[in-house]
Amino acid sequence: GENVEQHPSTLSVQEGDSAVIKCTYSDSASNYFPWYKQELGKRPQLIIDIRSNVGEKKDQRIAVTLNKTAKHFSLHITETQPEDSAVYFCASGGGGADGLTFGKGTHLIIQP
Amino acid sequence: NAGVTQTPKFQVLKTGQSMTLQCAQDMNHNSMYWYRQDPGMGLRLIYYSASEGTTDKGEVPNGYNVSRLNKREFSLRLESAAPSQTSVYFCASSEGPISSGEQYFGPGTRLTVT
Repeated sequence: GENVEQHPSTLSVQEGDSAVIKCTYSDSASNYFPWYKQELGKRPQLIIDIRSNVGEKKDQRIAVTLNKTAKHFSLHITETQPEDSAVYFCASGGGGADGLTFGKGTHLIIQP
Repeated sequence: NAGVTQTPKFQVLKTGQSMTLQCAQDMNHNSMYWYRQDPGMGLRLIYYSASEGTTDKGEVPNGYNVSRLNKREFSLRLESAAPSQTSVYFCASSEGPISSGEQYFGPGTRLTVT
């Protein structure tokens, strides 16, 4: 089955700096790559997603890039703010079976 | 529009007890999913249902059963709970297969098995 690796597990950045979280996947048939933000005790919330026919997608301060050849995708957050502090999960789907395979998460800490 | 709802929010079981987690969506979605989330882990897929009357195993199905009662409801049953099933359980739904659109999550059920 699909395997998703996510790095780093913890990321601490100064407010206003950029943050980058990286994921790799193993199933070349996967074609859908969402990113979720999860605050403590809450449900995961979709923040951005990308499909395999697109190399980059941007939504205000958030962008995602996808390299299908290398089977990796990344989340970029610019001008970080305190409310960006949360756990972020990458995921992949659309391969053989339905549902998503998640990475283990990155705890993003924004230092004031 | 409530989206995806789950009951109960919290539950404590003793080893060997059984229970059913309920999930319902009001978005007329075809696909529904059950995930579990353990500390320090991402969500892992237990079972999914592509349409009413069909269910399929995910990554970690052992110890669980599911029922897609109708298009709205998808329940998860623990027949004989074990401490290893202590986790937060999330139900989710999407319009079609995951590659076709966003997956919406319920608020979760926090289950402790002692």
